[in-house]
Amino acid sequence: ERVLTQSPATLSVSPGERVTLSCRASQSVSSNLAWYQQKPGQAPRLLIYAASTRATGVPARFSGSGSGAEFTLTIGSVQSEDCAVYYCQHYVNWPPYSFGPGTKLEIK
Amino acid sequence: EVQLVESGGGLVRPGGSLRLSCTASGFTFSDFTMNWVRQAPGKGLEWVSSISRSSDHIFYADSVKGRFTISRDNAKNSLFLEMNSLGVEDTAVYYCARVGVVVTVGQLDYWGQGTLVSVSS
Repeated sequence: ERVLTQSPATLSVSPGERVTLSCRASQSVSSNLAWYQQKPGQAPRLLIYAASTRATGVPARFSGSGSGAEFTLTIGSVQSEDCAVYYCQHYVNWPPYSFGPGTKLEIK
Repeated sequence: EVQLVESGGGLVRPGGSLRLSCTASGFTFSDFTMNWVRQAPGKGLEWVSSISRSSDHIFYADSVKGRFTISRDNAKNSLFLEMNSLGVEDTAVYYCARVGVVVTVGQLDYWGQGTLVSVSS
């Protein structure tokens, strides 16, 4: 079973900063990786799939990269509304689905 | 507009049962595999169960196998989760989520708002 780890666990940044979140898989997941954003009290929202494809309606400041076992989610210029927990998820040989533990992004 | 609306959550005693529903609109429900994903209070996301378009492929997480049953009614655009022998560890918000099929197959492209299941004596 492929396990996902995310770093850092928590990140505190100022508006306008560039942010990079990391997701690492215990084995290659090729490009079968998605990123989700979950704001407080809301359902998760798909941001990125196929490692680097933005989902419908996702602002261009969000970008994904990587393949194999190392992935990053970059927010080009963080805005206050980006305060959320970000989860990565792989979908190799699903189900089961495996989610990472999440990175909590705080805006100063 | 794609919409998924869950219902059926509530407070239940340990050992009790509950049936969750998810009503879909804005897309051809029968064309998509569907899932239940849950989130315990203050915790991360945990996949619970998947059901294929025609219900011929059904899968469960080990944590719910033998206690939960997923089903769907394509004629009524509805997804269900029958939960039996509930324990306090099943307390969570339960989301239904659709499996996307664009570029890759497997990402969960739409989620409902969730329904809270609380198991407590």
